[in-house]
Amino acid sequence: EIVMTQSPVTLSVSPGERATLSCRASQSVSSNLAWYQQKPGQAPRLLMYGASTRATGIPARFSGSGSGTEFTLTISSLQSEDFAVYYCQQYSDWPRTFGQGTKVEI
Amino acid sequence: QLQLQESGPGLVKPSETLSLTCTVSGGSISSSSDYWGWIRQPPGKGLEWIASIYYTGNTYYNPSLKSRFTISVDTSKNQFSLRLRSVTAADTAVYYCARLAFYGDRFDYWGQGALVTVSS
Repeated sequence: EIVMTQSPVTLSVSPGERATLSCRASQSVSSNLAWYQQKPGQAPRLLMYGASTRATGIPARFSGSGSGTEFTLTISSLQSEDFAVYYCQQYSDWPRTFGQGTKVEI
Repeated sequence: QLQLQESGPGLVKPSETLSLTCTVSGGSISSSSDYWGWIRQPPGKGLEWIASIYYTGNTYYNPSLKSRFTISVDTSKNQFSLRLRSVTAADTAVYYCARLAFYGDRFDYWGQGALVTVSS
């Protein structure tokens, strides 16, 4: 099983600031990585796939990078609606696995 | 617009069997490019993929969860289902159904989630 590790666990930032979230895979997943955003009481929402392709309707302030085992999700200028928990997920192999999440808070 | 809706009991007694159904609307579960799956999230914790199925019946399971889960599909009803036998308190979670686009890659459409509590 490919283990996904996210850091930091919690990221404290102010509106308008840049946020950088990291995700590491225990073995190479190539670019087979997705990012999700989850707000309290809601289902996760797909943000990014293929490590760097934004899903439909996702604002340009979200960007993804990386390949192999190291990945980054960047939010260029945090808006109030961006405070949430973010998960990475690999789809290079079964079982599909998620990271433990990074909470972005004020 | 594709929509998924989970249904099932909110409360299950320990050692019983949990059954959940996901109804897909706005699209066909027999799409040649999609898998369908279940993910759960215990209260205050992260996401855990449980199982996925193709409309032909091809399945994948999370081996970490042992063999208590069974996923199935009913193309005539545009539904897929999850059964979990011998539940314990550790199975208390929000259970989400979702579509895995492009032959099982990313989860691009999700249901709203169904909270299942295991308690006597």
